[in-house]
Amino acid sequence: QQPVQSPQAVILREGEDAVINCSSSKALYSVHWYRQKHGEAPVFLMILLKGGEQKGHDKISASFNEKKQQSSLYLTASQLSYSGTYFCGTAGNNNDMRFGAGTRLTVKP
Amino acid sequence: DAGVTQSPTHLIKTRGQHVTLRCSPISGHKSVSWYQQVLGQGPQFIFQYYEKEERGRGNFPDRFSARQFPNYSSELNVNALLLGDSALYLCASSLGVGGGNQPQHFGDGTRLSIL
Repeated sequence: QQPVQSPQAVILREGEDAVINCSSSKALYSVHWYRQKHGEAPVFLMILLKGGEQKGHDKISASFNEKKQQSSLYLTASQLSYSGTYFCGTAGNNNDMRFGAGTRLTVKP
Repeated sequence: DAGVTQSPTHLIKTRGQHVTLRCSPISGHKSVSWYQQVLGQGPQFIFQYYEKEERGRGNFPDRFSARQFPNYSSELNVNALLLGDSALYLCASSLGVGGGNQPQHFGDGTRLSIL
């Protein structure tokens, strides 16, 4: 099953924060986060492995709650360049990656 | 270093035809995955190949097939094309295969339109 992302869309002003959530009904081995700008390929942001870790670089970070089978992506002090569609991808113990339907993030000046 | 390259970038076919899409992974990457992305949706997993062997398959009909060559490049073949096959086909490469613990690097995709 595909993971479920929320919200479907969010509009921010520069400097505001946002949280994107991703949940799965099946046990997860890892969660991936990607950002896709219109007409471009998805770009890898980060991967979180089971163990409840939290990662981040620059002002984008993420957490992974293995027990709840949930992950959240945190964007702080958003910049115009953060605009795009964010996808979470989940993987179980097999080799297939399931992506959510995406969250469209728009950052306005 | 070159990223993942896909060809062609755009393709127009008619119903019933077949198509072959090509992908060259990042140098040193041994795994290639194929995805179908319909407008407004996330990528849907089709296949994963590692060391020329199929390691994963998504919920797609047998009209879809793929293979990986000794140089790790890959082809995706779709037979008896349907209107619903119109989509962006993405190829992603990773260093290895291992239960999703490898980041995937995507190519720009092939935009397939079926008339």
